[in-house]
Parts: sequence; structure tokens; C-alpha cells
Amino acid sequence: QQPVQSPQAVILREGEDAVINCSSSKALYSVHWYRQKHGEAPVFLMILLKGGEQKGHDKISASFNEKKQQSSLYLTASQLSYSGTYFCGTEWGGTSYGKLTFGQGTILTVHP
Amino acid sequence: DAGVTQSPTHLIKTRGQQVTLRCSPISGHKSVSWYQQVLGQGPQFIFQYYEKEERGRGNFPDRFSARQFPNYSSELNVNALLLGDSALYLCASSSGTGGNQPQHFGDGTRLSIL
Repeated sequence: QQPVQSPQAVILREGEDAVINCSSSKALYSVHWYRQKHGEAPVFLMILLKGGEQKGHDKISASFNEKKQQSSLYLTASQLSYSGTYFCGTEWGGTSYGKLTFGQGTILTVHP
Repeated sequence: DAGVTQSPTHLIKTRGQQVTLRCSPISGHKSVSWYQQVLGQGPQFIFQYYEKEERGRGNFPDRFSARQFPNYSSELNVNALLLGDSALYLCASSSGTGGNQPQHFGDGTRLSIL
């Protein structure tokens, strides 16, 4: 079952912060975050494994709440280059290792 | 190092035809996965191959098939093309099949069915 991302779209001005959520109705093993710009391939950002781990990547970080089966992606002090569609890809363990099920995406637009 | 390379970049076919898409993984990566991305949606898993064996199959009809070669490159074949097969086909490679392995995507093949 497809994870649910929220919000569907967000508009920011440079320097503002945003949070994108990814929720699953099934127990998660891992969550993979990607950013895709129009006409380009998805670019890998980070992986979160179950255990409430938080990772950071410059001004982009993420957390994994195992209790809620939810991951959140945090973008701080946004830059124009952050614009794009953000996807979470989920793995549910067992025989689904390596099979990512993606959410519908969150469109992020950063204006000057 | 070169990333994941896919060919061709664009392809136009008519209904009923067959198509073969190709993918070369990142050097040292032994796992290749194929995804279909329809405009406005997230990628949808089609196949995963590791060490030339199929390790996973998504909810796609038997018209879709794939294989992996000894050099870890891969081909995706689609027979009896339908209008609904129009999409961006993405190949992703990873070093293994474990859940903690990042998958790196190629630029994709954009397939248009007329």
C-alpha cells in the first residue's frame, strides 16, 4: 500500500523552513528520501532505518518515528535549489527488501 | 565515476510493438531495479535483479520482462505495447539488496506510445 505524503505542495520564500511527512499503514523497515527536478532523475537524499534515527545532510535532515510509522523531512533555510518534487520510498522488510514503494510526492517551490 | 546510464533516452512506438530498454549500473553495483513513472506520480516498482537472478517483481503484467547480464547490466522488455505504457522508465542500481542500500537512479528512458 502506497505511503501517504503531506502536504501535497508547499510554497516558500528563500530562507524559510518546511517539513514534509511520509506515513505508512504498514510497519516500516526503512524510508528513502529523494528529490526530483522536472525532467530529471530522482536524486537520493538519505535513508532512515527503523529505530527513530535522525540523519542530516547540510540543511536537510530527517527523522523516523517507529511508533507512528512516519518519517519527516526537514528543510531549513531553504534555497532556490531545493525546488522540486520530494518523494519518500518505503521498504517493509521481509521479501520486500530493495522494493521501494513511493508516495505520490510533495511539490516544493522556493521563490526569491 | 560514471552514474547509472540508460539508453535510449527517448523512444516512440506504436501500439502492439515491442521495446527493449537498457541499463548499466554504477561500477561495483550488483543490483538493478526497474521502475515506471507516470507523469505526476511517484515511481512504481517493476523488477529487481541481483547477481542475474530476479529478486522481486511488482504488480505488472507478463508483457513486462527483464534480465541481468554477467556484467550486471540489465534489459527491460515490454511486449504488445499499450497506450498506458507511456511513461518514464527508470533504472536504479545499488550495491546489494538489503534494506539499508541506497538506490541511485539513471536519467530514464521516456517511452511514448502512439
